[in-house]
Amino acid sequence: IAGITQAPTSQILAAGRRMTLRCTQDMRHNAMYWYRQDLGLGLRLIHYSNTAGTTGKGEVPDGYSVSRANTDDFPLTLASAVPSQTSVYFCASSDSSGSITDTQYFGPGTRLTVL
Amino acid sequence: QKEVEQDPGPLSVPEGAIVSLNCTYSNSAFQYFMWYRQYSRKGPELLMYTYSSGNKEDGRFTAQVDKSSKYISLFIRDSQPSDSATYLCAMSARSGSRLTFGEGTQLTVNP
Repeated sequence: IAGITQAPTSQILAAGRRMTLRCTQDMRHNAMYWYRQDLGLGLRLIHYSNTAGTTGKGEVPDGYSVSRANTDDFPLTLASAVPSQTSVYFCASSDSSGSITDTQYFGPGTRLTVL
Repeated sequence: QKEVEQDPGPLSVPEGAIVSLNCTYSNSAFQYFMWYRQYSRKGPELLMYTYSSGNKEDGRFTAQVDKSSKYISLFIRDSQPSDSATYLCAMSARSGSRLTFGEGTQLTVNP
């Protein structure tokens, strides 16, 4: 079982370019999340999806968009990248069935540098 | 003011030491408390979770929650070099809902 996979592992991108970060999970979790992790700021939620077909904004959504066409995939798109979007991006998923063991499982991350 | 405060460290201890990691929070609605461990250049992985107040022990790790003080702790006994990582606290108001993370504490255990 792979859990959560993210692609690419790392990317250097010119400012103004469009970029899609991919996230796939094989745990059949209904909820998925995108975070960015920055030194001194910790993990901040960008967007989330409670179930396929629905999405919501997190703490820092500006400049990012997401879609959730099916249960397994949750891509994050930067329409026009800016240097302040240089960060490490983590995708996560959770079952959200109401059990105490519901918690988030994280992918390995994508290191993005915008020049 | 952040909802969850965590000293980022870095914290450096000798092998075998007892390590205490802490977070404070301001939202009294938080009931679910988690500790994640993150190795360098990896994603966070769940280490421990607790519900409401009390203690939970798992091997060398003990998680404590004091809701009256809005304070949670993670203790690591007989620390090992393999425990060197960043430890993040996280909490939520209900199970499976969005998490609020602390900044993370960077721990180094020296052989």
